[in-house]
Amino acid sequence: ETGVTQTPRHLVMGMTNKKSLKCEQHLGHNAMYWYKQSAKKPLELMFVYNFKEQTENNSVPSRFSPECPNSSHLFLHLHTLQPEDSALYLCASSRGGADNYGYTFGSGTRLTVV
Amino acid sequence: AQSVTQPDIHITVSEGASLELRCNYSYGATPYLFWYVQSPGQGLQLLLKYFSGDTLVQGIKGFEAEFKRSQSSFNLRKPSVHWSDAAEYFCAVGSPNSGGYQKVTFGTGTKLQVIP
Repeated sequence: ETGVTQTPRHLVMGMTNKKSLKCEQHLGHNAMYWYKQSAKKPLELMFVYNFKEQTENNSVPSRFSPECPNSSHLFLHLHTLQPEDSALYLCASSRGGADNYGYTFGSGTRLTVV
Repeated sequence: AQSVTQPDIHITVSEGASLELRCNYSYGATPYLFWYVQSPGQGLQLLLKYFSGDTLVQGIKGFEAEFKRSQSSFNLRKPSVHWSDAAEYFCAVGSPNSGGYQKVTFGTGTKLQVIP
């Protein structure tokens, strides 16, 4: 199952820059997620949006600001990041219903903070 | 709380050999179980999933996994590994949808190296 698109694929930004990551899905899923994947660390859930309402924020620093204008689009706005924020940022989506069918992931944005 | 343990960080197998990746989970009820694969620089792709019913689950790319409730395990297997299977593999456990979205907990991954 494909259908989650993330842009850009790679991003290099300075610590004073402001940038945004974009994710979109056309699978009809109602929930969207941001994950951070760092080397030698487990996948870290950052945010969850369900029907464009934020339902989880796992103590993410305020320099990361999510936005979900509709069920198909999810953004992650970045500002004044730190070098330790360099990682692969993954977007995922999932459908509703009682059963848990798992996530569909995008290819990720490789972020480097310099 | 649900959790997943993948005891092997790295595994090396010869091309054509069989493969088994271990996964143990902790969950209070019947879990939803998943295996994902990640190639370098890519997102995670779902290989297979278990909800209920037959405990042997077939997935894509010739993979299968067996759910063993008594051992709290969901090991991934492939009878003959191909060089293209070199990747990182993640086991995950999920709970039923809560409020319309899914909670999935991932293991730390097992990196598979395939040698000629």
